[in-house]
Amino acid sequence: GAVVSQHPSWVICKSGTSVKIECRSLDFQATTMFWYRQFPKQSLMLMATSNEGSKATYEQGVEKDKFLINHASLTLSTLTVTSAHPEDSSFYICSARGTSGVTDTQYFGPGTRLTVL
Amino acid sequence: GENVEQHPSTLSVQEGDSAVIKCTYSDSASNYFPWYKQELGKRPQLIIDIRSNVGEKKDQRIAVTLNKTAKHFSLHITETQPEDSAVYFCAASINTGNQFYFGTGTSLTVIP
Repeated sequence: GAVVSQHPSWVICKSGTSVKIECRSLDFQATTMFWYRQFPKQSLMLMATSNEGSKATYEQGVEKDKFLINHASLTLSTLTVTSAHPEDSSFYICSARGTSGVTDTQYFGPGTRLTVL
Repeated sequence: GENVEQHPSTLSVQEGDSAVIKCTYSDSASNYFPWYKQELGKRPQLIIDIRSNVGEKKDQRIAVTLNKTAKHFSLHITETQPEDSAVYFCAASINTGNQFYFGTGTSLTVIP
């Protein structure tokens, strides 16, 4: 139990284009999903927290108009990197949290490696 | 806000020896402390967690201890194996549903 998937696993795009990353909880309902960014050999940096059916809460310094987050259902959250630039290249990881028992903590997706040319 | 510090940043041990990773936190309201293992290019995986009403928790070769008074918690891995080699992150949170504050990670290498 407590499996989180993420799609795509990697993506290469041109500068100025937008990229959508999906995060799904496969066997539990995720009331809260978190989006992180991780640079090589560094820790996880929280970008935003999203609760199903409400607007995401962004961390200080994260542009909400650039990183659009939608948590439309209890099993799906999406992160759209709009007008991507090379500095947006990174490893993006989502996590999902359930509401009870074994899922009452954060479980991570496999991550998406974004490369912007 | 919460500040989590983690030491050491790198750790090398001989296979079969024990490894200890230590974390401190600043917010006395934090009551949930998970540990994650991340292999290169893969997702962080929860290996053990502890809540503030417990001082120690063990799962086979892995144990976590918590000292609420001193605001520090530690991960202990006994009888280390090469497959234990990875980056380990500690985290602290006020309840499981809130933001996790992660440590900076410890790169563990187990030498065969």
